[in-house]
Amino acid sequence: EADIYQTPRYLVIGTGKKITLECSQTMGHDKMYWYQQDPGMELHLIHYSYGVNSTEKGDLSSESTVSRIRTEHFPLTLESARPSHTSQYLCASDFSAGTSPINEQFFGPGTRLTVL
Amino acid sequence: GQQVMQIPQYQHVQEGEDFTTYCNSSTTLSNIQWYKQRPGGHPVFLIQLVKSGEVKKQKRLTFQFGEAKKNSSLHITATQTTDVGTYFCAAPGSQGNLIFGKGTKLSVKP
Repeated sequence: EADIYQTPRYLVIGTGKKITLECSQTMGHDKMYWYQQDPGMELHLIHYSYGVNSTEKGDLSSESTVSRIRTEHFPLTLESARPSHTSQYLCASDFSAGTSPINEQFFGPGTRLTVL
Repeated sequence: GQQVMQIPQYQHVQEGEDFTTYCNSSTTLSNIQWYKQRPGGHPVFLIQLVKSGEVKKQKRLTFQFGEAKKNSSLHITATQTTDVGTYFCAAPGSQGNLIFGKGTKLSVKP
């Protein structure tokens, strides 16, 4: 079982609230990712990081922001949540460095976010 | 941008029937990976194919990488209800990320 954790697992909040989704991994991986996914549907990459102090936007435009101050921690923040943000958010990490060919990604259990 | 096309989007089979999902790219791939996501779960890595024409087996699952390294397939023999889920192929992107196919959602009728 992969050592990558996400909290909270479920979150129901009202419109306009600021939220932070936590993701931590204990595998020492440099690369970390955030995906947005409606249940059983396509995975959309919204942010990724090559390592500490590195953050990049993914393919899907997102109103969220991320930070990478420590290798093991990659939180995602929504400054003002809206109903359109309702989805599942998956965090992942892998061994690869920089733009080198990738190794398998390990996914966290996900956070199911509902914005009312 | 780089895309990985995956078909079919949905597949409904009777238990015991075979199932195949296909993945295609317009560019040559250095490798391709396959993941399975159970309903309510998260994607879990199944396998990585690297060599041209490579075939790998995991019990009832057979994975193939095309000779030109532009396509791949996952075949399940004699499906079981435990095979239910969404199967994704994924290939390396130009930024060192993974490009996922849209997935094939498999349902199995007992």
